[in-house]
Amino acid sequence: DAGITQSPRYKITETGRQVTLMCHQTWSHSYMFWYRQDLGHGLRLIYYSAAADITDKGEVPDGYVVSRSKTENFPLTLESATRSQTSVYFCATDRGLAIGELFFGEGSRLTVL
Amino acid sequence: AQSVTQLDSQVPVFEEAPVELRCNYSSSVSVYLFWYVQYPNQGLQLLLKYLSGSTLVESINGFEAEFNKSQTSFHLRKPSVHISDTAEYFCAVSLNRDDKIIFGKGTRLHILP
Repeated sequence: DAGITQSPRYKITETGRQVTLMCHQTWSHSYMFWYRQDLGHGLRLIYYSAAADITDKGEVPDGYVVSRSKTENFPLTLESATRSQTSVYFCATDRGLAIGELFFGEGSRLTVL
Repeated sequence: AQSVTQLDSQVPVFEEAPVELRCNYSSSVSVYLFWYVQYPNQGLQLLLKYLSGSTLVESINGFEAEFNKSQTSFHLRKPSVHISDTAEYFCAVSLNRDDKIIFGKGTRLHILP
């Protein structure tokens, strides 16, 4: 079934290393989002994109970089990972069918040692 | 900026008992309101939403939420919970069709046998 896929699902890295989390959607819809989920904080928006080559900051963008050269892909890069970036990362897309109906990937669990 | 407050981080309730999960929002303008559910080890799924019209909205699995503008609340209720309702529930808000969605910190619903 078409949908939204994230890779890798699990990643362990070390402080200072660069990490890229991939997100791919098969619908080719405009909006894509990156959230992080942490105990006690719920979901917080990192970055979002309204279309290819258009990105904007969310609530917690520091330490992250995004790009959107193709509509279907929205990678999230941690240029120099820190322990505070240990989290579960969710990519989501708005299929454009109805207001507020985000479709989430299964998440990428990142551990920074 | 808009924000969402979920007053309870965890709610234990016996099976077949009623439950209410509380959500308050902060915004000076009209908003769209949502409840999302996250089952263990999965991404979030839309449960129900309020866009306009009737202030009482329902989901297909027996949950309902009522938009109360004067109290800036959007509490989620179910008259009789089932063990399968065990999940984390997130209240969310958006200002308009093209705006980002901001989530609350979540409420874990524990169903007791």
